[in-house]
Amino acid sequence: GQSLEQPSEVTAVEGAIVQINCTYQTSGFYGLSWYQQHDGGAPTFLSYNALDGLEETGRFSSFLSRSDSYGYLLLQELQMKDSASYFCAASGGGGNKLTFGTGTQLKVEL
Amino acid sequence: NAGVMQNPRHLVRRRGQEARLRCSPMKGHSHVYWYRQLPEEGLKFMVYLQKENIIDESGMPKERFSAEFPKEGPSILRIQQVVRGDSAAYFCASSPGDSGEKLFFGSGTQLSVL
Repeated sequence: GQSLEQPSEVTAVEGAIVQINCTYQTSGFYGLSWYQQHDGGAPTFLSYNALDGLEETGRFSSFLSRSDSYGYLLLQELQMKDSASYFCAASGGGGNKLTFGTGTQLKVEL
Repeated sequence: NAGVMQNPRHLVRRRGQEARLRCSPMKGHSHVYWYRQLPEEGLKFMVYLQKENIIDESGMPKERFSAEFPKEGPSILRIQQVVRGDSAAYFCASSPGDSGEKLFFGSGTQLSVL
């Protein structure tokens, strides 16, 4: 089976930088994705890492270390609208399905 | 280009009734995934389908739950004889290929069982 662990909650101030960590245990791992979900709405894709290293997309960056079974999502120049739940998800494990972590609730304060 | 469309947005059923949840994938997408989400929890994989085929149903309960994705029309997730524990948000996602790393999600169906 597969399991992914994330902190349940992170709080940061507007304009700051925050890092959300994700550790995973999977078999047949392909890559790690990140999704954002506002108030139970549709999860939206943020980034995907198949190789080790950092992927940058605007204010968001994602990192993967396959040897450490670890990744993180980095959010810079935080805005109030970034308050949401963030999920890491692993692909692989003998199928094409994504297995999601339990999610991190990010609260951005003034 | 319309996104993934799910309906109904909210569905209320009494115990023992049937629930049918519909999902139309994005145009050009032939791969559909169903996930279930309880409050304050992550998304739990249920089933992965391609047109007319169930590829992986390892996350779907063996009884009362079924899914289909016919050649024509939306994907359907069917729950027979619903119980209160079935109350959850059910999300559908689609992708253009089978790599599975980028999914496009619908807005979900909130099922409430009275």
